[in-house]
Amino acid sequence: NAGVTQTPKFQVLKTGQSMTLQCAQDMNHNSMYWYRQDPGMGLRLIYYSASEGTTDKGEVPNGYNVSRLNKREFSLRLESAAPSQTSVYFCASSDPDRGQGGELFFGEGSRLTVL
Amino acid sequence: GEDVEQSLFLSVREGDSSVINCTYTDSSSTYLYWYKQEPGAGLQLLTYIFSNMDMKQDQRLTVLLNKKDKHLSLRIADTQTGDSAIYFCAGGGPGGGNKLTFGTGTQLKVEL
Repeated sequence: NAGVTQTPKFQVLKTGQSMTLQCAQDMNHNSMYWYRQDPGMGLRLIYYSASEGTTDKGEVPNGYNVSRLNKREFSLRLESAAPSQTSVYFCASSDPDRGQGGELFFGEGSRLTVL
Repeated sequence: GEDVEQSLFLSVREGDSSVINCTYTDSSSTYLYWYKQEPGAGLQLLTYIFSNMDMKQDQRLTVLLNKKDKHLSLRIADTQTGDSAIYFCAGGGPGGGNKLTFGTGTQLKVEL
């Protein structure tokens, strides 16, 4: 049971380059999320998808786009990377209809450096 | 939006109790959570408390919720070296669902 799988785990980009972070979950969860983690700032929500076919902005959406390709997959795209986007990115999924408000299940993270 | 604050570091000796504190601004969260992040890994749910509870105990973990002061704490009894990690508190935002707001994280270091 893989849970939440993110690729790539590490990436170095030059300013202005584009890239897509991929995320897939095999738990049949309705909701998926992208967070970024920066030192001293905790996790901040970039975008989320409450269900297949819907996406909404989180706290820090500028510079990012997302696609909920199907129920399993939720990708995050940086069209023109900036050094301020150097961070660790986490994908997560949940099913809010389950008990305890729907626990978030996280991937292992993707460490992105923009030079 | 909600603000969730935690102290950044805590150091304890093995066998002692650890208490990690969290304050939040939004009292509409239905659940409040504690997540643990080990080095190089994603976050994993440790425990949670429903907002109408004051306390929850789960083996070595005790969660206390003071709704009046909007204060949440996690006590780890008999702290072990394997407990060294970053601990995040999180609360559900208004509108429900799982758009959790996370605290800044507390790095717990357990010394021998």
